[in-house]
Amino acid sequence: QKEVEQDPGPLSVPEGAIVSLNCTYSNSAFQYFMWYRQYSRKGPELLMYTYSSGNKEDGRFTAQVDKSSKYISLFIRDSQPSDSATYLCAMSATGNQFYFGTGTSLTVIP
Amino acid sequence: EAEVAQSPRYKITEKSQAVAFWCDPISGHATLYWYRQILGQGPELLVQFQDESVVDDSQLPKDRFSAERLKGVDSTLKIQPAELGDSAMYLCASSPWTGGDPNTFGPGTRLTVL
Repeated sequence: QKEVEQDPGPLSVPEGAIVSLNCTYSNSAFQYFMWYRQYSRKGPELLMYTYSSGNKEDGRFTAQVDKSSKYISLFIRDSQPSDSATYLCAMSATGNQFYFGTGTSLTVIP
Repeated sequence: EAEVAQSPRYKITEKSQAVAFWCDPISGHATLYWYRQILGQGPELLVQFQDESVVDDSQLPKDRFSAERLKGVDSTLKIQPAELGDSAMYLCASSPWTGGDPNTFGPGTRLTVL
């Protein structure tokens, strides 16, 4: 079983829609949770970083962590064509070694 | 804004040849990571440095891959000999220390082995 599971999509939504991206994990020791956005042929860029449980909001982006269910989510409100990219979740127990999901490909249609 | 630099951005080589990638982390970042990302998959850690020391190289194919960070600043990843299955994006990332700070990634080197 993989440490981190992420639905690869692809996901296609109309502009303005609310997007929900999710990852599940098996290691209950994970306490550092990140979401990265990766445009084609570029390196990942950090979107959201959460320590332990709870919600974090930054503009149109909200990250949620449910440690009891071993489930994390990223919500994108008022999605824009520029949000079209691959979204990677990543997590770590110690902050030393990070485990990445396979990424979800998102297309926002104008 | 500080960035992680990588070169070259693209590399095409024939199998059995040697290739090398270079990374310059954000100034002051003690921790440096090399990841390999196969198309359609997430990054997988190859090697992690803390300053000039290797912290984790358990996933590095040591028969053909080597990495060094001699002065604890920039780093080189080498593959010799390259195989067809090595075609991937090689990503370098850095963070201030190993206490959970998220990785800042460079633009990557896309390797194609023919």
